[in-house]
Amino acid sequence: IAGITQAPTSQILAAGRRMTLRCTQDMRHNAMYWYRQDLGLGLRLIHYSNTAGTTGKGEVPDGYSVSRANTDDFPLTLASAVPSQTSVYFCASSSRPNNEQFFGPGTRLTVL
Amino acid sequence: GQNIDQPTEMTATEGAIVQINCTYQTSGFNGLFWYQQHAGEAPTFLSYNVLDGLEEKGRFSSFLSRSKGYSYLLLKELQMKDSASYLCAVRDGDYKLSFGAGTTVTVRA
Repeated sequence: IAGITQAPTSQILAAGRRMTLRCTQDMRHNAMYWYRQDLGLGLRLIHYSNTAGTTGKGEVPDGYSVSRANTDDFPLTLASAVPSQTSVYFCASSSRPNNEQFFGPGTRLTVL
Repeated sequence: GQNIDQPTEMTATEGAIVQINCTYQTSGFNGLFWYQQHAGEAPTFLSYNVLDGLEEKGRFSSFLSRSKGYSYLLLKELQMKDSASYLCAVRDGDYKLSFGAGTTVTVRA
């Protein structure tokens, strides 16, 4: 593993199903982030974690939850997916919250 | 919150210079970032400004005026590979980033 990986690359999901998007980084970065990117709206922060064991809400947290049990992993869970959660999801990390963020390759999620 | 504005699209010729403007209104300011994003790919970091002035990095330069809530990204000697979206992002006092919608730059031969 080099950098940040996300899985799956893409997914089609029925509305109402539960889904977890995975994010793993091997850079020992303290801070991690989840964004969604929608056409015309840019990247919007969903949840973040400044260090293992802590999480915080971003601009659009409703319908999503996260956990940060260790430094490397930061999964994003949709408890009951809805069509408005169709988007491209990017995970990012930074060595410290005040440093630049590095982005994973993204997960394209379609909720039908 | 943050309100970040940048043009939607720009077109320029290979070898030319393009300037992408970004204006922001912020409830707290702790730096401004520019990212490049090719279609279907992840954003990649280009530049960072926290103090007023110009930061130069090869063919790319970024300028910041905190009093005016204004930044620009200057791309010189444009190459076809520079065709991409350029994202302006403002960091607030809690170190969270807010992004503009992005400017799609098309470089033509």
